[in-house]
Amino acid sequence: RKEVEQDPGPFNVPEGATVAFNCTYSNSASQSFFWYRQDCRKEPKLLMSVYSSGNEDGRFTAQLNRASQYISLLIRDSKLSDSATYLCVASNYGGSQGNLIFGKGTKLSVKP
Amino acid sequence: DGGITQSPKYLFRKEGQNVTLSCEQNLNHDAMYWYRQDPGQGLRLIYYSQIVNDFQKGDIAEGYSVSREKKESFPLTVTSAQKNPTAFYLCASSITGGSGNQPQHFGDGTRLSIL
Repeated sequence: RKEVEQDPGPFNVPEGATVAFNCTYSNSASQSFFWYRQDCRKEPKLLMSVYSSGNEDGRFTAQLNRASQYISLLIRDSKLSDSATYLCVASNYGGSQGNLIFGKGTKLSVKP
Repeated sequence: DGGITQSPKYLFRKEGQNVTLSCEQNLNHDAMYWYRQDPGQGLRLIYYSQIVNDFQKGDIAEGYSVSREKKESFPLTVTSAQKNPTAFYLCASSITGGSGNQPQHFGDGTRLSIL
């Protein structure tokens, strides 16, 4: 079975801290990767796509390591509003069960 | 505004009853998906449709049915055969399906509970 594995946390960090999450994926044929953010009792929202060369969006940086099959998300200068669950997602390339595999999420809590 | 609309936001089901959850999108997306999320758990795929008039079972299709008669609509019926229907149901869409290159965008969900 193709899986995406994440540390569930919670990660409890003070405001202004830098925090990093990793996740691993089992399908070596996966082509596309994403990070989603999900607030409590809300729908997941796309945070950013993850590109092979790595990409940055403001305080957020995503990296992909294909050789080791892991994806990372770095959040700099954490804000209280960053508190949420972060879902790691990989494409199920060639799979018959939909096209994206979601991890169970890593919970982040940013404290004052 | 373009987006995905799910209704109702909250739904209660009596034992033996079938209920239908609505999902409508005006993003002109070809692919649509239904997921179920239980507390503290990840998203599990129920059904997906890559194109109108076609749909496929996901990981947990038993006790559910769908239709895709129109591009913009993908309703999910929770049948009486689904013995544990209490969950948060999420509908999503993407520009295309199957290639896995496109992110999915979600509606704001329907919470289903048993009376």
